[in-house]
Amino acid sequence: AQSVAQPEDQVNVAEGNPLTVKCTYSVSGNPYLFWYVQYPNRGLQFLLKYITGDNLVKGSYGFEAEFNKSQTSFHLKKPSALVSDSALYFCAVRPRDTGGFKTIFGAGTRLFVKA
Amino acid sequence: ETGVTQTPRHLVMGMTNKKSLKCEQHLGHNAMYWYKQSAKKPLELMFVYSLEERVENNSVPSRFSPECPNSSHLFLHLHTLQPEDSALYLCASSQDAAVQETQYFGPGTRLLVL
Repeated sequence: AQSVAQPEDQVNVAEGNPLTVKCTYSVSGNPYLFWYVQYPNRGLQFLLKYITGDNLVKGSYGFEAEFNKSQTSFHLKKPSALVSDSALYFCAVRPRDTGGFKTIFGAGTRLFVKA
Repeated sequence: ETGVTQTPRHLVMGMTNKKSLKCEQHLGHNAMYWYKQSAKKPLELMFVYSLEERVENNSVPSRFSPECPNSSHLFLHLHTLQPEDSALYLCASSQDAAVQETQYFGPGTRLLVL
């Protein structure tokens, strides 16, 4: 079955330190990959996506993600965390070749940045 | 703001009630989606509309009934719900339903079924 795994329910980081939020997937072919962020009482906001090309994708608010085909991973990173980055982060995968419209989301990782 | 609005933001209903959730997008998009977000679970896709035509119904119980009268509006009609239907219901839109398109989400309606 196709799935997306975010192995950490929560990630704790000190402000100014680098952060990584992990995502691995089990989807056939070469899917499109997305990261979304959800702040309290808000809907999901798009951060970045990988379609093709350079494996390092840069997105909003200084975030970036690295696509690793051999490890089927798409980890989200930021060189220096801010307290305002504290939120719920979702990795999402959309198969290219099924002809369907389904985006498969991970369960989310809560990022807590401490001042 | 993402350009996608949802009303109401909060809703409490009994199991015998009938209510509707409304979503409106101001982005000129042609595809709209309903998702269910439950605590500590991945988002569940419920319905997809493309150019006002339903293109995906993800095995959703019939007590949820979507309606897309035009490309800017999407409704989710609710009737005889169960307590396990309590969740955050998110609407999203995208330029079209192509797989690479980014989805833009509304703030959600938090539903509590008593």
